[in-house]
Amino acid sequence: DVHLVESGGGLVQPGGSLRLSCVASGFTFSNFYMSWVRQAPAKGLEWVANINQNGGAKLYVDSVKGRFTISRDNTQNSLYLQMSSVRAEDTAVYYCARWNGYFTWGQGARVTVSS
Amino acid sequence: DIQMTQSPSTLSASIGDRVTITCRASQSMSNWLAWYQQKPGKAPQVLIYQASTLESGVPSRFSGSGSGTEFTLTISSLQPDDFATYFCQQSDSYPWTFGQGTKVDI
Repeated sequence: DVHLVESGGGLVQPGGSLRLSCVASGFTFSNFYMSWVRQAPAKGLEWVANINQNGGAKLYVDSVKGRFTISRDNTQNSLYLQMSSVRAEDTAVYYCARWNGYFTWGQGARVTVSS
Repeated sequence: DIQMTQSPSTLSASIGDRVTITCRASQSMSNWLAWYQQKPGKAPQVLIYQASTLESGVPSRFSGSGSGTEFTLTISSLQPDDFATYFCQQSDSYPWTFGQGTKVDI
């Protein structure tokens, strides 16, 4: 079974930084695109970023470009999201997801941006 | 960007009802359309992908159809476990986008 476990969430001040991690198991991690998707409180879902299998291609939603960086370490079966210059509107549950024509999701990591 | 508009936003139904949720795209798109179910406090789970392909293990009462700008998710006979929120999601073009969700309650 696909298993994705996020960590690194928490409370961060506006303008601060945070790094989310996701450890994958149950599949060959290096064979798949991976994504981050977020869900603000009582709101819908928003795709944040994608990374291809070798990490050479990355795409972002406009609202996080220049502030967030997606990366991966295939030797560690791990996906990362470096969040910088965070804003109140970045408050959300952040899901790590495998892409295979559709998302398979982790359980999520809660990020709260507040002073 | 392709905007995905779901209707209705909330749907009240009873056990055994046939339920249809519609997702309309702001422009014509391919069949890269998935449907997810989300229960409170849980991550979404895929039901349908490529507009009409049922994910392995998902009950056959769920079905998807559509093309172009209009896609539908149908639950043929609503069961107690189906009370949840449903989202559509397009991966035809970036940025990938989701519908705003349809909450199915009693």
